[in-house]
Amino acid sequence: DTGVSQNPRHKITKRGQNVTFRCDPISEHNRLYWYRQTLGQGPEFLTYFQNEAQLEKSRLLSDRFSAERPKGSFSTLEIQRTEQGDSAMYLCASRQSWDPMNTEAFFGQGTRLTVV
Amino acid sequence: QKEVEQNSGPLSVPEGAIASLNCTYSDRGSQSFFWYRQYSGKSPELIMFIYSNGDKEDGRFTAQLNKASQYVSLLIRDSQPSDSATYLCAVNYGGSQGNLIFGKGTKLSVKP
Repeated sequence: DTGVSQNPRHKITKRGQNVTFRCDPISEHNRLYWYRQTLGQGPEFLTYFQNEAQLEKSRLLSDRFSAERPKGSFSTLEIQRTEQGDSAMYLCASRQSWDPMNTEAFFGQGTRLTVV
Repeated sequence: QKEVEQNSGPLSVPEGAIASLNCTYSDRGSQSFFWYRQYSGKSPELIMFIYSNGDKEDGRFTAQLNKASQYVSLLIRDSQPSDSATYLCAVNYGGSQGNLIFGKGTKLSVKP
């Protein structure tokens, strides 16, 4: 499978626990994006990378959230001290960097987080 | 704050009709625009993109862009029940930096 892969697909955690999600982008894609989506809403931008460099992080993002892409390949998104409001679908997308204006971002299947 | 605005709907059209979906964006410097379709419980998938003023047609879909009005739309001709989904407008901000911001989506329902 050469698409964007996200793991785990589902995560249930207790409030206050830390969680980490992984995204494996399409191999030749330099750009990787993280979004959060709640029911009835569009994907909310969290952060994005070009290779290992984190180019932008949403100003609305709590400092409990951190993302890394250490070798410019897979990425992890960690949420510390989870809250019930963190419950959402976390989507990862990747795209080519040679012409980012006109190239498609491909999405993974997402990780659904439920905080109880 | 970079914003992409869409009517949330739901937009209901009869089978065979034209569905018109609209999107406005806040950053005049935006250069490319994408329409994604998202079925319930699934990830977004690209329908088409546009970066020049005017119309771009692909099968039953036509994207329209007016940069002066900061407005982009998607027309779906001969709507089918299988077109029932949420349609997301996405805007590429920042030129070569390539950030991609989404609207909240418009839910379309095509009635047989």
